[in-house]
Amino acid sequence: GAVVSQHPSRVICKSGTSVKIECRSLDFQATTMFWYRQFPKQSLMLMATSNEGSKATYEQGVEKDKFLINHASLTLSTLTVTSAHPEDSSFYICSARDPVATYGYTFGSGTRLTVV
Amino acid sequence: KQEVTQIPAALSVPEGENLVLNCSFTDSAIYNLQWFRQDPGKGLTSLLLIQSSQREQTSGRLNASLDKSSGRSTLYIAASQPGDSATYLCAVNNNDMRFGAGTRLTVKP
Repeated sequence: GAVVSQHPSRVICKSGTSVKIECRSLDFQATTMFWYRQFPKQSLMLMATSNEGSKATYEQGVEKDKFLINHASLTLSTLTVTSAHPEDSSFYICSARDPVATYGYTFGSGTRLTVV
Repeated sequence: KQEVTQIPAALSVPEGENLVLNCSFTDSAIYNLQWFRQDPGKGLTSLLLIQSSQREQTSGRLNASLDKSSGRSTLYIAASQPGDSATYLCAVNNNDMRFGAGTRLTVKP
């Protein structure tokens, strides 16, 4: 099936620094990708929809300037957490529409971000 | 806005039992519904995808049903095993995916 590759799987950074997370669609083109955040013992919350060649669409309450999304190619979307703070520590996961399964989605393996 | 609810939040059963996880959603105009498994600290593993025109899907010991008009889906796990212990997430697709909070399942040997 369709695979989405997400890197890094884990990252620890100092407060105030920026962290970039990559989401790649392997062997298929993804014009739209989605970014989710999951706090411990909570469900996944949609943060934003990443559109190739245009601006991302952010969910209410998600800071655009803090979570920068770039979708410059049909196979790569990046999420940059700028000026990270400990409260940004979370599990971030991306997804793309599965080209094989009708209206299905495939997910990356996630990135565990810890800000110290 | 679509809201997805999963009941129960947690479930502990002895090995071998059959069990049912429930998912309800508020907006029935969906494309499909998907059940996922998530192990602690890990990503999502897709279990079953039910299109809006379908009533159920089966994979091995798993069976998922969908009643779109009433906004409900169930995931049935037969003959549960300790390896089934994980969090099970229900996600509904209205052009983007909205997740329930999950059911944390523990199967005791």
